[in-house]
Amino acid sequence: QQQVKQSPQSLIVQKGGISIINCAYENTAFDYFPWYQQFPGKGPALLIAIRPDVSEKKEGRFTISFNKSAKQFSLHIMDSQPGDSATYFCAASPKGAGYALNFGKGTSLLVTP
Amino acid sequence: GAVVSQHPSWVICKSGTSVKIECRSLDFQATTMFWYRQFPKQSLMLMATSNEGSKATYEQGVEKDKFLINHASLTLSTLTVTSAHPEDSSFYICSARDDNSYEQYFGPGTRLTVT
Repeated sequence: QQQVKQSPQSLIVQKGGISIINCAYENTAFDYFPWYQQFPGKGPALLIAIRPDVSEKKEGRFTISFNKSAKQFSLHIMDSQPGDSATYFCAASPKGAGYALNFGKGTSLLVTP
Repeated sequence: GAVVSQHPSWVICKSGTSVKIECRSLDFQATTMFWYRQFPKQSLMLMATSNEGSKATYEQGVEKDKFLINHASLTLSTLTVTSAHPEDSSFYICSARDDNSYEQYFGPGTRLTVT
């Protein structure tokens, strides 16, 4: 059972545009929500992460928005660049060191020149 | 930033042989490491959770006698694929959870091809 649902499956955005990827979860025990970027043949790289005590976190062009009541969180990539073309995964896990991340199915982003 | 290395980055082996993959956290300690398998254009599938000094916890459907995991120190976990078969060919990725920040960092992956 997919504990984190991610959409869209694929996304095409023009250079300079905003890329938006959404995730939803059901487990209220989830306490940590990271986003990963993966290029073909490489391991995922941690982009940005948020905990439920804040509604938004921004790092450079990347912003996570978090809606605790709706159990949804999203990644916004501002001023999208061709170099941002990659697969993005959202994830969630409960509090505690022993818990593994539950991943969404991924979004393949293509930023056209 | 935190770095996790994996070795080898790719390996080709004959059916029936065993292959060991190493995962190291280079600049942080990780009591807990995770092993994933990823098929083309798919998400990461958790295989097992590895805890330093104790037995690994395997996900349902993962054969523990086939995928041997050892987490001998706070910076090293190994995955040994025993008696490999072509269906074991895949991209194996480890991750390590930083004991201080609880952030989880991934290695670059190991491409295993069994002929």
